[in-house]
Amino acid sequence: GQNIDQPTEMTATEGAIVQINCTYQTSGFNGLFWYQQHAGEAPTFLSYNVLDGLEEKGRFSSFLSRSKGYSYLLLKELQMKDSASYLCVAMDSNYQLIWGAGTKLIIKP
Amino acid sequence: IAGITQAPTSQILAAGRRMTLRCTQDMRHNAMYWYRQDLGLGLRLIHYSNTAGTTGKGEVPDGYSVSRANTDDFPLTLASAVPSQTSVYFCASSDSEGANGYTFGSGTRLTVV
Repeated sequence: GQNIDQPTEMTATEGAIVQINCTYQTSGFNGLFWYQQHAGEAPTFLSYNVLDGLEEKGRFSSFLSRSKGYSYLLLKELQMKDSASYLCVAMDSNYQLIWGAGTKLIIKP
Repeated sequence: IAGITQAPTSQILAAGRRMTLRCTQDMRHNAMYWYRQDLGLGLRLIHYSNTAGTTGKGEVPDGYSVSRANTDDFPLTLASAVPSQTSVYFCASSDSEGANGYTFGSGTRLTVV
């Protein structure tokens, strides 16, 4: 079956770095997305990886290893506004999205 | 402002009633989607449409129907609501291959009592 695994909750300190891991199993693969979702709001697109390696976008970076079925989202210089859920999403061979349940990130001062 | 508009924002609905959730986008995206989000679960796809005039079933289509008469509108209808349909519903759209990510509406919080 198709599956996404990511931690349910993580806690980090303002100004620090946090890495949110994700493993996936899909029927074929057409890329891996990360979304941010603040409580009570819609998900917003953060990143897309389809090739192995690291993609950097400001304070956020996303890494993919296709051979390991593994991705991580790295958040640097954490700010209080980064408190949110982070959703790992894989796209299968039919271009359908498989959504993880999300990692709730709590930032403490 | 370009994006997706959903209505209503929230609704309390009696079981057995019919309800249509509205979704309109102004980005000329070909593909549109309806998801439900429940606590502790990933978003689950209800129905999708790859282009105007076509629709398809997602992971959890039972009890729901959609139509796609034009590019902009993608309403979701609950023919006879049941309490298990209590959820937050998100409409989304994407360009043809979705590699630029999906754009989501602000969601409809539906409670069926």
